[in-house]
Amino acid sequence: NFMLTQPHSVSESPGKTVTISCTGSSGSIASNYVQWYQQRPGSAPTTVIYEDNQRPSGVPDRFSGSIDSSSNSASLTISGLKTEDEADYYCQSYDSSNRRVFGGGTKLTVL
Amino acid sequence: QVQLQESGPGLVKPSETLSLTCTVSGGSISSYYWSWIRQPPGKGLEWIGYIYYSGSTNYNPSLKSRVTISVDTSKNQFSLKLSSVTAADTAVYYCAREGLTPYYYDSSGSDDAFDIWGQGTMVTVSS
Repeated sequence: NFMLTQPHSVSESPGKTVTISCTGSSGSIASNYVQWYQQRPGSAPTTVIYEDNQRPSGVPDRFSGSIDSSSNSASLTISGLKTEDEADYYCQSYDSSNRRVFGGGTKLTVL
Repeated sequence: QVQLQESGPGLVKPSETLSLTCTVSGGSISSYYWSWIRQPPGKGLEWIGYIYYSGSTNYNPSLKSRVTISVDTSKNQFSLKLSSVTAADTAVYYCAREGLTPYYYDSSGSDDAFDIWGQGTMVTVSS
């Protein structure tokens, strides 16, 4: 079964830049779109990146997404970190049968 | 604006069937993919399955033998049934719409992002 692997946690200081990786277990991660969701405690997730690197309206341009085919990974980069960015982040893509697959999630701490 | 609301029992006994309904308000259920997603306490998101408004479905293979998702377009609702539940099915259950982009997706599949989520409903499996 297709899986997406994320680091369990990352931490960085306010104002810095952090990158969260999402590695596909098989096939080419570039074959299907990768979406990224932010989830704050007690709330439903919201989309911060869709279609690999697109930002929904209202999401600051401090958030960016990319694909690295050489490592079969997607990445979410947040620059100019703010304390309000502290949350769990999930990548999501699709398997060969169009089933949705979530990564395990990454807890971002801004300290 | 479109809103989703999950409803159903918050407590289900082991071996019984969990039943939840998601009501779509402020918009039509037509022309979209609708998913159920769950999150056990302190853990990550798990996609359960989707239904297209016309009725075609696709399920997480790890749950497929126990899951049924159905739609009632006349009531603007879709529902989840999960049979033979155990404590491992204890989770917050979310319904969500895939509709972030303006593209039209037919019943053959979608790669649109989730744009609207319900608030989630906690379901505990316990005797």
